[in-house]
Amino acid sequence: NAGVMQNPRHLVRRRGQEARLRCSPMKGHSHVYWYRQLPEEGLKFMVYLQKENIIDESGMPKERFSAEFPKEGPSILRIQQVVRGDSAAYFCASHGGAASSYNEQFFGPGTRLTVL
Amino acid sequence: KNQVEQSPQSLIILEGKNCTLQCNYTVSPFSNLRWYKQDTGRGPVSLTIMTFSENTKSNGRYTATLDADTKQSSLHITASQLSDSASYICVVSPSGYALNFGKGTSLLVTP
Repeated sequence: NAGVMQNPRHLVRRRGQEARLRCSPMKGHSHVYWYRQLPEEGLKFMVYLQKENIIDESGMPKERFSAEFPKEGPSILRIQQVVRGDSAAYFCASHGGAASSYNEQFFGPGTRLTVL
Repeated sequence: KNQVEQSPQSLIILEGKNCTLQCNYTVSPFSNLRWYKQDTGRGPVSLTIMTFSENTKSNGRYTATLDADTKQSSLHITASQLSDSASYICVVSPSGYALNFGKGTSLLVTP
């Protein structure tokens, strides 16, 4: 059973370009979370999705950022018109079953985004 | 404001030695506290999870303690190994799926 997969592992973009980050949750998991880790900072919650639904996007910037988790395929975190401040590690996590604080979230290896 | 503070920021110890990492939190309400290990370039991996009623939990050479009254937790690593070199992150959940992450303690175990 493969773990949470993210790709690409490293992504370089110039200011103004778009970044697309992909996350395939563990098999059987229908809950996906995205987190951002800025240099020297702890992980910060961005968005929580279930299949075809955004449950909580309170941690996501209102502009330029969007996320989806379609019925088929991976979850996508999309950043439009990237700026240097978007440079960070973006982690995806997943769990199965109902959302509760006791469900362990399994993390992917992250995508390191660098904006030039 | 929900906060999780960890100390020390970084630590260097010799292989075979023990060490203790600290975590103080102001998260309220409180549901559970977790310790994660994050290797360089990898995602966090869960070591332990403790609820309000638990004050100690072990996972091999890792032992976590929790004092919910003082809102403090510690992670004790026994007989350290080179592979223990990583960042150790304290995470507190107030309820549901919300997680509040500390910045982590960077541990380096040297030969």
